[in-house]
Amino acid sequence: AQSVAQPEDQVNVAEGNPLTVKCTYSVSGNPYLFWYVQYPNRGLQFLLKYITGDNLVKGSYGFEAEFNKSQTSFHLKKPSALVSDSALYFCAVRDPTTSGTYKYIFGTGTRLKVLA
Amino acid sequence: DTGVSQDPRHKITKRGQNVTFRCDPISEHNRLYWYRQTLGQGPEFLTYFQNEAQLEKSRLLSDRFSAERPKGSFSTLEIQRTEQGDSAMYLCASSLAGTGVTGELFFGEGSRLTVL
Repeated sequence: AQSVAQPEDQVNVAEGNPLTVKCTYSVSGNPYLFWYVQYPNRGLQFLLKYITGDNLVKGSYGFEAEFNKSQTSFHLKKPSALVSDSALYFCAVRDPTTSGTYKYIFGTGTRLKVLA
Repeated sequence: DTGVSQDPRHKITKRGQNVTFRCDPISEHNRLYWYRQTLGQGPEFLTYFQNEAQLEKSRLLSDRFSAERPKGSFSTLEIQRTEQGDSAMYLCASSLAGTGVTGELFFGEGSRLTVL
């Protein structure tokens, strides 16, 4: 069964510092991996995805993520955090090799707080 | 606005009443998903449709829950005999499916249910 884990409930970082939000996954095949951001009382917004190819993928708002197959991880990163990046971040996985399912499994979320 | 829209945004009901939520996906999207999100948690998969066919349902979806997508466009999620444990945000998402399409999800703003 596919699953995704976000080991940190909250990450605090000073504005201007680099940030990392961690995600690990478990699927039977090669995963499709996604990051979403959620602001208060809003729906989830797509940030970036990894499907195949280059392990470093770039997305919206200066975010990037690195796929590491040996560590089954897909950590979200940004070189310089902004206060406006403070939000709830979700990692999601889909296993395209599991026949008959197109469902996406989400992690429990990590709250990012960027301190001025 | 060409995004995913959900209605109503907030519903307050008494225990035992029935409620129905509507989702209008992005018009060219053929897959539609329902998720449930409680405070501090990630979205939990409920069900999804490809066109009008309901292809998968979570075990979370008890027989009090029913979802339809009668013409492959909008969808409804009905909860009968609501319980306080049904209080949550109900998220709808849509995606484009097809050969070569990786199909990230686009979410609506959600419908918040409060059962008194």
